[in-house]
Amino acid sequence: QPVLTQSSSASASLGSSVKLTCTLNSGHSDFIIAWHQQQPGKAPRYLMKVEGSGNYNKGSGVPDRFSGSSSGADRYLTISNLQFEDEADYYCETWDTDTRVFGGGTKLTVL
Amino acid sequence: QVTLRESGPALVKPTQTLTLTCTFSGFSLSTSGMCVTWIRQPPGKALEWLALIDWDDGKYYSTSLKTRLTISKDTSKNQVVLTVTNIDPVDTATYYCARIVDNNYLDFWGQGTLVTVSS
Repeated sequence: QPVLTQSSSASASLGSSVKLTCTLNSGHSDFIIAWHQQQPGKAPRYLMKVEGSGNYNKGSGVPDRFSGSSSGADRYLTISNLQFEDEADYYCETWDTDTRVFGGGTKLTVL
Repeated sequence: QVTLRESGPALVKPTQTLTLTCTFSGFSLSTSGMCVTWIRQPPGKALEWLALIDWDDGKYYSTSLKTRLTISKDTSKNQVVLTVTNIDPVDTATYYCARIVDNNYLDFWGQGTLVTVSS
C-alpha cells in the first residue's frame, strides 16, 4: 500500500516562497497526490492534485500563489509571496483501489 | 454548492458504540462515481482515514480499524452513517466526512465534530 512522508515542520518569512515536499514510497512513485491545507482550528481544505508528470489542478478559489510540481517520487507544494494566513498544517493524500492514505503533515510557520 | 455536516454525540463512554451522521447537499450518492468518506484527527495529531462508501454501495475500511467500523448510506436522506464499536479514549478525535468523485481526491470537507471518549 502507498505511504506518504512529509517533513514535520517548515518556516519561511513573510513575502518569501516555500516548497513543501511529500514523498511516495517505493513502488508508488507514479501515484497522484492531493494537497490539503488546515488552518488553525479549522477543517482541512482541498488545495490541488499533483500528478507524477508535474501537472497540477487547483481547487476553486485557491490563490495563484499556490502551485504544484513533481520529481520522481516527490510531490511539491510551492507557496509564493507568503502571507500570514498561509500559516497552517499541510497534508498530502493519495489513494489506491481500496484505501486512502495521508501523510503526517507539515506545520508551516510564517515568520 | 456542495456542503457536508457531521453530527453525533460530543461525549461517549468507553466500550459504547459511537454513531456519527454525515448530512450532505449539492450532490447525490446515487450518481455514478460519487463517494463519501470518513476521516478522523486526534487532538494535535495527523489525519487518519477510516472508511468510504460509494454510489454502488461499495464499502472500504481502514485495515487497522475494520473490525470496529461500519459505514452505510441513506440516499433518500442524503446521509452517510459511521458506527464505531467498543469505543476507547484513544478514539477521542475530531471526525470529518468528505466527498470524493470518481475515486479521486477528497474535494469537499465537512466542518468536523469533536468526540471525546471518557467515563
